[in-house]
Amino acid sequence: DAGVTQSPTHLIKTRGQQVTLRCSPKSGHDTVSWYQQALGQGPQFIFQYYEEEERQRGNFPDRFSGHQFPNYSSELNVNALLLGDSALYLCASSFNGEVTEAFFGQGTRLTVV
Amino acid sequence: AQSVTQLDSQVPVFEEAPVELRCNYSSSVSVYLFWYVQYPNQGLQLLLKYLSGSTLVESINGFEAEFNKSQTSFHLRKPSVHISDTAEYFCAVSEPYKLSFGAGTTVTVRA
Repeated sequence: DAGVTQSPTHLIKTRGQQVTLRCSPKSGHDTVSWYQQALGQGPQFIFQYYEEEERQRGNFPDRFSGHQFPNYSSELNVNALLLGDSALYLCASSFNGEVTEAFFGQGTRLTVV
Repeated sequence: AQSVTQLDSQVPVFEEAPVELRCNYSSSVSVYLFWYVQYPNQGLQLLLKYLSGSTLVESINGFEAEFNKSQTSFHLRKPSVHISDTAEYFCAVSEPYKLSFGAGTTVTVRA
C-alpha cells in the first residue's frame, strides 16, 4: 500500500502564474481533503472532495479550486499566484470524509517568487 | 468554529528528560482530539487520538495524552525523550469534514 502520494514534491512558480498539485489517496479511501501549511503555522483546511464534488470549503478565495476524478484522485489548482501562497500543501485521504481515520501525504512545497 | 491553542511554540529538552506539550481547545460539545507529528520536510503522521472511552490515550512510541473535558485540554507527555523525537507537534480537533490545527510546538531534543 503506497499510502497517500502527492506530486510534485517541490515546485517554484512566478507571481500571477497558475499551478496544479496532484494527490492519489490511500487504497480504499474515497475522500480527499487539502490543507495549506504556511511556514511556522499549523495546516489550514482548504476544501474536501467526495464523490467528485466539493463537500466543504474553508476560508480560501476562489483562486483555489479543485477536482476529484472517478478513481478518487484529486487536483488542487491555484490561479493568479501570490507570494503569500508559498506554503506546504498537504493532501489527506479518508473514507466517506471520516477525519478520525485521515492519512496525510508528504506534501508539495510551493514557492512563489 | 473550533479553535486550538498550543501554549508553547518551542520546547527545548535534554535527552531522557520528560516533556509536556500543552493544548487547549474551544468547544462545549463532544469532540475528537488528535496529536500529529511532523518531522523536517515531511507530512503529518498521527501520533494518537481520543475518540471516546478512557481519557488517557497512548501511542506505540511512548507518548501519552490525557483528555480533560472540564479544562478543555489534551496535553501530550513523554516521560523520557530521545533525539529522534525532535520534530514539530500539532494538536488538532475534529469538525464536520475537517480538522482544525493549532500553530504547533517545536520540540528540540539535545544530548
